Amino acid sequence: KAGVTQTPRYLIKTRGQQVTLSCSPISGHRSVSWYQQTPGQGLQFLFEYFSETQRNKGNFPGRFSGRQFSNSRSEMNVSTLELGDSALYLCASSVISGTLYEQYFGPGTRLTVT
Amino acid sequence: DQQVKQNSPSLSVQEGRISILNCDYTNSMFDYFLWYKKYPAEGPTFLISISSIKDKNEDGRFTVFLNKSAKHLSLHIVPSQPGDSAVYFCAAGRTIIQGAQKLVFGQGTRLTINP
Repeated sequence: KAGVTQTPRYLIKTRGQQVTLSCSPISGHRSVSWYQQTPGQGLQFLFEYFSETQRNKGNFPGRFSGRQFSNSRSEMNVSTLELGDSALYLCASSVISGTLYEQYFGPGTRLTVT
Repeated sequence: DQQVKQNSPSLSVQEGRISILNCDYTNSMFDYFLWYKKYPAEGPTFLISISSIKDKNEDGRFTVFLNKSAKHLSLHIVPSQPGDSAVYFCAAGRTIIQGAQKLVFGQGTRLTINP
């Protein structure tokens, strides 16, 4: 079974631009979450989608948005980029199996804002 | 307010011995706990998880113990191997609706296995 895939892997943008990141979950997983990882803040939850609906949202400004398609693929959009948005953006898909919750991460998209 | 804490930023263990990574949490509403391993420039790799209705879960060399009264969980790796050298994150989640989770991560512990 293929893992979580994210595209692109690396991205360089300038301040003020907008960016769209893509994530394909593991086949059969309907929940997709997005995280931002920075050296100073660690892994921080952005939002989670299930069946095309946003169920959870972290404490990020409205410039960060996302959506999920009927095939469970998800996109994350950041508008009006700021230097502080430079980070590794991770997508994860999850499933509950019995009493166990498992969440698997993709390789991430490294975003650099200049 | 850091709800999930890994108080040891680093740990060094001899190859073949047991590695014990610790994690404390403050929110008693958390009902799922997960451990991840992370190499530089890669996404975290899921290792093992445990539900709050259990106090132990084992998968090969990895065992997670949960002490709800102490709000503490630990990951045991036995025996430790050089390939285990990585940063380990614990994460805690709270079921909201329909299995929804909102994971909170600790800051990580860098494990180094010495030959």
